[in-house]
Amino acid sequence: DAGVTQSPTHLIKTRGQQVTLRCSPKSGHDTVSWYQQALGQGPQFIFQYYEEEERQRGNFPDRFSGHQFPNYSSELNVNALLLGDSALYLCASSLWVSGRGDTQYFGPGTRLTVL
Amino acid sequence: DQQVKQNSPSLSVQEGRISILNCDYTNSMFDYFLWYKKYPAEGPTFLISISSIKDKNEDGRFTVFLNKSAKHLSLHIVPSQPGDSAVYFCAASGQTGANNLFFGTGTRLTVIP
Repeated sequence: DAGVTQSPTHLIKTRGQQVTLRCSPKSGHDTVSWYQQALGQGPQFIFQYYEEEERQRGNFPDRFSGHQFPNYSSELNVNALLLGDSALYLCASSLWVSGRGDTQYFGPGTRLTVL
Repeated sequence: DQQVKQNSPSLSVQEGRISILNCDYTNSMFDYFLWYKKYPAEGPTFLISISSIKDKNEDGRFTVFLNKSAKHLSLHIVPSQPGDSAVYFCAASGQTGANNLFFGTGTRLTVIP
């Protein structure tokens, strides 16, 4: 049973560029959430996708956008990169449970470095 | 504003002894709590969870206790093993219609052989 997979593992970009990160959820899961983990901090929620729609969004600017495909995989796009966007980006998948917490399973993350 | 707090950045415990990791939260709407373990270069791994309708949940060597009145939860690991050395994150969720998790800043546990 394949777990959550993310690509690429590492990425180096320069300020102002755009980046796309990819995530495939755990088999049987239909919901994908994205988190940003800065050094020394806990993961912070960016947004969540279910049925190809953004369902919830954390306190992140519009430069952060996403997409979910019919096969439940997802992309995270970040435009106009800033130095402060350097972080580990984590994808988590779960089964949509209306209104109540479901266990989220995380991928290994993509380490983004902005120079 | 940090809604989930782990005030101890690190903890060292001798192998075989009990490890106790603590977590406090401020949002009374949280009703589902989880603990994740994270090794370097890996994503967080789910460890154990607890719903607010319970005050204790046990899974093998891991037990989570929830004190709703104090808005406090703790993770007990007994007996601690060197392989338990990792960063432990407390997380909470429960806002109506949302599954997003709010994480603490983590506690690095070192189990000394």
